[in-house]
Amino acid sequence: KAGVTQTPRYLIKTRGQQVTLSCSPISGHRSVSWYQQTPGQGLQFLFEYFSETQRNKGNFPGRFSGRQFSNSRSEMNVSTLELGDSALYLCASSLGGTASGEPQHFGDGTRLSIL
Amino acid sequence: GNSVTQMEGPVTLSEEAFLTINCTYTATGYPSLFWYVQYPGEGLQLLLKATKADDKGSNKGFEATYRKETTSFHLEKGSVQVSDSAVYFCALTLKAAGNKLTFGGGTRVLVKP
Repeated sequence: KAGVTQTPRYLIKTRGQQVTLSCSPISGHRSVSWYQQTPGQGLQFLFEYFSETQRNKGNFPGRFSGRQFSNSRSEMNVSTLELGDSALYLCASSLGGTASGEPQHFGDGTRLSIL
Repeated sequence: GNSVTQMEGPVTLSEEAFLTINCTYTATGYPSLFWYVQYPGEGLQLLLKATKADDKGSNKGFEATYRKETTSFHLEKGSVQVSDSAVYFCALTLKAAGNKLTFGGGTRVLVKP
């Protein structure tokens, strides 16, 4: 069974540009969540999508947005990039049910560097 | 709000030594608790989980017990190997918050041969 696939693995952008990251969840998983990982702030929740609807959102500015398609694939977009957006962006998928303790499965991430 | 606190690293051990990583949490309600591991250049892998008080999660020789009275979920392994060198994250979810994982700051473990 294929795992969570994130593309691209590495990206270099300059300030002011925008970027789109992609995540393909495990087959059958309907929930996709995004996290930002930085040395200073650690792992922070960005948002979760379930059945093409945003179900939960973290405390990030509106420059960070996402969407989910009917096949559960998800994209994350960051506009007007800032130096502080340099991070590892991780995507996680799960079945999306309401059971307690449902595990999430992570991809290897997209490393975004802003010059 | 909800939060997870874990001991700061790095933790440096010799092979076959005993490993403990402390994790405590603050949550409004009854969280599910997780340990994830991150190897260099990779994403996070679920190591183990526990969903209610006194549950013990275990996997690959690692164990952690959900202690509601001390709000803790300490990770232990009796005999570490060089291949256990990684960063370990304690995390929680609350049913009311959906699938959102709240993570601790991570503990880097280095096992020397």
